[in-house]
Amino acid sequence: NAGVTQTPKFQVLKTGQSMTLQCAQDMNHNSMYWYRQDPGMGLRLIYYSASEGTTDKGEVPNGYNVSRLNKREFSLRLESAAPSQTSVYFCASSEAPRGAIDTQYFGPGTRLTVL
Amino acid sequence: AQSVAQPEDQVNVAEGNPLTVKCTYSVSGNPYLFWYVQYPNRGLQFLLKYITGDNLVKGSYGFEAEFNKSQTSFHLKKPSALVSDSALYFCAVRSFSGGYNKLIFGAGTRLAVHP
Repeated sequence: NAGVTQTPKFQVLKTGQSMTLQCAQDMNHNSMYWYRQDPGMGLRLIYYSASEGTTDKGEVPNGYNVSRLNKREFSLRLESAAPSQTSVYFCASSEAPRGAIDTQYFGPGTRLTVL
Repeated sequence: AQSVAQPEDQVNVAEGNPLTVKCTYSVSGNPYLFWYVQYPNRGLQFLLKYITGDNLVKGSYGFEAEFNKSQTSFHLKKPSALVSDSALYFCAVRSFSGGYNKLIFGAGTRLAVHP
């Protein structure tokens, strides 16, 4: 049981390049999330998906797009990377649909550097 | 707006001594509080949560947290620290808005346990 997996682990981009971060969970969870982690700022929610086929903006959605491809997979796309998007990105999932109080499970993270 | 504060960037403690990592919160309504731990180059791992009931919550790896409504605090504690407890600790509060369940994280506290 792998839990939440993310690819790639590391990535270096030049300003203006695009890329997609992949996330998959094998726990049959309904909800999935994308966060970014910056020093001294904790984790900030970029986008989330309460169920297959739905996505919604979090605190810091600008410059990102997401796709909930199916129940297992939730990808994050940077269309035109900027240095301000240098960060560590975490994907998470949780069992319950919207409104429930439940635990989120996190992937190992993707460390992205934009030059 | 829901928020959490972790007033200490770093906590230093000697192995075998008790440890406390502080967290205060600001919420409207009942607070639902979480502690997560992040080891180097890893994702966040769930430690414990408070939803309702007993103010002393027991979690993984011997950690516990005390919910104090009058002081709006949810401090993480362990009676005897181990060197392996050295990590980054995050307090989080559940935010329910727009019909969705989200976590608002504090900035994190780095715990260093010295032999």
